[in-house]
Amino acid sequence: GENVEQHPSTLSVQEGDSAVIKCTYSDSASNYFPWYKQELGKRPQLIIDIRSNVGEKKDQRIAVTLNKTAKHFSLHITETQPEDSAVYFCAASRSDMRFGAGTRLTVKP
Amino acid sequence: ETGVTQSPTHLIKTRGQQVTLRCSSQSGHNTVSWYQQALGQGPQFIFQYYREEENGRGNFPPRFSGLQFPNYSSELNVNALELDDSALYLCASSAEQGRSPLHFGNGTRLTVT
Repeated sequence: GENVEQHPSTLSVQEGDSAVIKCTYSDSASNYFPWYKQELGKRPQLIIDIRSNVGEKKDQRIAVTLNKTAKHFSLHITETQPEDSAVYFCAASRSDMRFGAGTRLTVKP
Repeated sequence: ETGVTQSPTHLIKTRGQQVTLRCSSQSGHNTVSWYQQALGQGPQFIFQYYREEENGRGNFPPRFSGLQFPNYSSELNVNALELDDSALYLCASSAEQGRSPLHFGNGTRLTVT
């Protein structure tokens, strides 16, 4: 089955700086790559997604890039704010969705 | 639009017992997936149901089983509970298996003592 690896496991940035989280996947047939944010004690919530026919997608301060050849994708958050502090999960899907282990992002005021 | 709901929210069981967790999918969604999330870990895929049939399974033993009903609601059953089964169990529904976002419920926190 699909195996998704995510780095780093923890990330601490100053407010206003950028944050980058990287993921790799093993199944070249995977074609859908969402990112989820999970705040403490809450459900994971979708923040952005990208499909395999697109290389980059942006939504305000959040962007995702996909390199199908290298089988890796990344989440970029610019102008970070304290409310961005949470655990972020990448995922890859062909017929079912597999998740990375998560990145705990801390944005220091 | 009604979101994904799970019951119960919390559950305490003894090792060796059996448990059933329930999930109502979001309206219009025909696919339900179950995940196990241990503290500080990512969601681990248990299985997925589409049109009442299991059509994907992660690395979980047969004592983890499930059902999907005609209204697309679902159950997760775990037999012979072990201490390591203690986790948050998340149910998620989607409109199109594998190609659309998962919408998660709030989860059931299972504690096995």
